[in-house]
Formats: sequence, C-alpha cells, structure tokens
Amino acid sequence: QVQLVESGGGVVQTGKSLRLSCVVSGITLRGYAFHWVRQAPGKGLEWVAHISHDGGRTDYADSVKGRFITSRDNSNNTLFLEMSSLTKEDTAVYYCARQNWGPYFDSWGQGTLVSVSS
Amino acid sequence: QSALTQPPSASGSPGQSVTISCTGTNDDIGRFNYVSWYQQESGKAPKLLIYDVSKRPSGVPDRFSGSKSANTASLTVSGLQAEDEADYYCTSYVATNSWVFGGGTKLTVL
Repeated sequence: QVQLVESGGGVVQTGKSLRLSCVVSGITLRGYAFHWVRQAPGKGLEWVAHISHDGGRTDYADSVKGRFITSRDNSNNTLFLEMSSLTKEDTAVYYCARQNWGPYFDSWGQGTLVSVSS
Repeated sequence: QSALTQPPSASGSPGQSVTISCTGTNDDIGRFNYVSWYQQESGKAPKLLIYDVSKRPSGVPDRFSGSKSANTASLTVSGLQAEDEADYYCTSYVATNSWVFGGGTKLTVL
C-alpha cells in the first residue's frame, strides 16, 4: 500500500523561501513520476509541478515557473519542492501525488499547509 | 493554461442520477482522452474516481461513470447516496507535460 506523507509547511514571510518534503513508502520511488498539486483555502485544485521517474525532466505551472523547483532523492524515497519568492497567492495546502500507469494521480498525500504573510 | 469549466454546484436526492460537466478546449479535453475525475471529501485529500475519460480504478463503485464529447467531459453519479456528498474535480492532460484542473463542483445530496 503506497503512502505519501508531506511535511515542511508553515508560516513564512512574503519573499522568503520554504522547502517541502514528501516521503513515499510502500513502493520503489524510481518507478514513478510524481506531481505537486496545491489548493488555496476554500478554492479548487491547481497543478503545480511534475518530476519524471528519474528526475531528468521537470515541468511547472506558469504561476510558479522560475520560483519553484522540484527534485527527488530516490535512494531515500523522498520528493522535494523548493519554493522561493513566495507571495500570498502561494498560500495553500500542498499535496504530492503519484502518477501511475497514465497521466493522472492515483495516490495522494494528506497535504501540508503553507501560509505566506507579510 | 486556463482552468477547465465546471458548474460550482450540483444536487440530487438519494437514488437519483446527477451529471457534472467539465468544459475545456481543443488543446486539452478535445485533444486527449486523458480526462480524470477526483472526489474530495471535506478536509481530506482528493481520490481518483475516473481516468482515461471513462475507466474506474478498482474499488470505485460502478455508480460513477465518465464520458466525453468534443471539448466537454462528464461525470455521472447514479443511485446517489449520502456518502457521495463531496467536491468533484475534473482534470485533463495538456501537451508538453502539463495538467489543468476544473474549478470544482460541490455535490449536495438532498
């Protein structure tokens, strides 16, 4: 049974940086691509980033391109999302999600809340 | 990439059927058969309901079904049950490894 557990969220000031982690268990990490999806308070889901199974390819939503970087450590079954130049619009619950046999997300973590304030 | 368009709310009585629409463009729903649907209960993480427009992962009841016509995808929930009350999101793959979600539909079981 795959399990994803995000951490690293918290309150951060505008313009600062924060790194989120997602520890994955129950599977071999290198076999899968993963995504980050966020949800602002009371709002809908927004796709944020994708990382290929080996980390060789990353893709980002326009809203975070140039500010967010996703990476992975397959040996430690951990994904990362480095967020910089944060604005209040980045306030959201951030989920990591597995991409399995096709372009959709079959397993999700419980999310970690990032609050950006001045 | 603009979000897919969903109605903000839908409702039905127990036992009835409800259909939620999801409208995109020729660059997403109209181009790829990679529409998926997610159910999000209050305070919980989303759960995959439908993938590849109309396929169900194991464990998802066959009361949930998906379809697509041109640039619009649809999720139908048949035989509504109280436990179906949740938010529902569609998403589509867009070219060059990006994805777009719909704004979400809150389903109320009356």
